[in-house]
Amino acid sequence: GAGVSQSPSNKVTEKGKDVELRCDPISGHTALYWYRQSLGQGLEFLIYFQGNSAPDKSGLPSDRFSAERTGGSVSTLTIQRTQQEDSAVYLCASSLRLAGGPIDEQFFGPGTRLTVL
Amino acid sequence: LAKTTQPISMDSYEGQEVNITCSHNNIATNDYITWYQQFPSQGPRFIIQGYKTKVTNEVASLFIPADRKSSTLSLPRVSLSDTAVYYCLVGVGGATNKLIFGTGTLLAVQP
Repeated sequence: GAGVSQSPSNKVTEKGKDVELRCDPISGHTALYWYRQSLGQGLEFLIYFQGNSAPDKSGLPSDRFSAERTGGSVSTLTIQRTQQEDSAVYLCASSLRLAGGPIDEQFFGPGTRLTVL
Repeated sequence: LAKTTQPISMDSYEGQEVNITCSHNNIATNDYITWYQQFPSQGPRFIIQGYKTKVTNEVASLFIPADRKSSTLSLPRVSLSDTAVYYCLVGVGGATNKLIFGTGTLLAVQP
């Protein structure tokens, strides 16, 4: 079946602009995660959704970052007033993990490469 | 929160067995240990997950000692295509989710 998809694959924006990144998880996956990966760095956890709820938003780096998930499916990560330090690859992952359940295999999308000029 | 430490890089040759160790001294009782592989310009891919002792699947083995303060990913007979970054991941189970990826180990396999 189809894997996790993300759009756009690349996004170039100017400092101060808002951007929206989209993630389409694997159908039926209740858990959804957003990560950020800067050039040459490891993955930085941003937020975790279980259904439409986000039990843990503590990884969001500032209040310019927000995310939502609707219908237990598609998720959007919004970055307002982008800064150059926001430049990174934003990765989305989904899994079958149930609320309160242990961490299970996460399936990652190809990522969105964000460049803030 | 459990923090992980891995070697930054490792070198190997085709056909050799490679062991990558991850240190996680502050692992919590309900934490699982998971390893991911990442190729350039791709998202990470799940390799293996375990809680204690030994877990084996078709691509790797994971060894976890009794104190669970470290774990070792073992890749048998590596090939050039195994050249990638390998991440050790220790996460908190339950309703909240704070996943911490290690720095990752760049494994370079040579002919």
